[in-house]
Amino acid sequence: QKEVEQNSGPLSVPEGAIASLNCTYSDRGSQSFFWYRQYSGKSPELIMFIYSNGDKEDGRFTAQLNKASQYVSLLIRDSQPSDSATYLCAVNQGSNYKLTFGKGTLLTVNP
Amino acid sequence: DAGVIQSPRHEVTEMGQEVTLRCKPISGHDYLFWYRQTMMRGLELLIYFNNNVPIDDSGMPEDRFSAKMPNASFSTLKIQPSEPRDSAVYFCASSPGPRAGGQETQYFGPGTRLLVL
Repeated sequence: QKEVEQNSGPLSVPEGAIASLNCTYSDRGSQSFFWYRQYSGKSPELIMFIYSNGDKEDGRFTAQLNKASQYVSLLIRDSQPSDSATYLCAVNQGSNYKLTFGKGTLLTVNP
Repeated sequence: DAGVIQSPRHEVTEMGQEVTLRCKPISGHDYLFWYRQTMMRGLELLIYFNNNVPIDDSGMPEDRFSAKMPNASFSTLKIQPSEPRDSAVYFCASSPGPRAGGQETQYFGPGTRLLVL
């Protein structure tokens, strides 16, 4: 069973701090990695994707990938209350277009 | 583009009734996915289509579930007969596929909240 694991949280950070969200995956052949944000009662929306080892930055968001450790993370700098949501990690094994999702980490940013 | 469109947005039905969920993908997207989300199991892929053809239905829980995609702009997910344990949020998502440079990004619809009594 190919699994994607996330700490369910809740992760609570003060406004302006850095929020760090982590994800591990079991399939070493996984090739692409996605972070989705889901507000309560809404649908998942894509924040970032990453294919290569290292860091990828987009505004306040940085995705980090370490394939050797089978680990992907999302850093949110200068966290805002509007960042409060559940963050879903998703992994694609590369042989098809299926995504396997983690159960998500609930982030709360306190004003 | 209007994004992925799903209907109905909410459905309340009684056990044993047939439920049909509908989805219109983003125009030009070759891939369509049906997911189910519950607190216990998270977001689970039920089935996905490529160019209207079902590719993988290994996530469909049992024979009570069926999905069709008669054309590029419409898909249905049917549950017959429905049971209380089918209560969940059902999402449809679409993806442009390899024509977009190999990016597997999926765009989700607003979901259908199903409650089976």
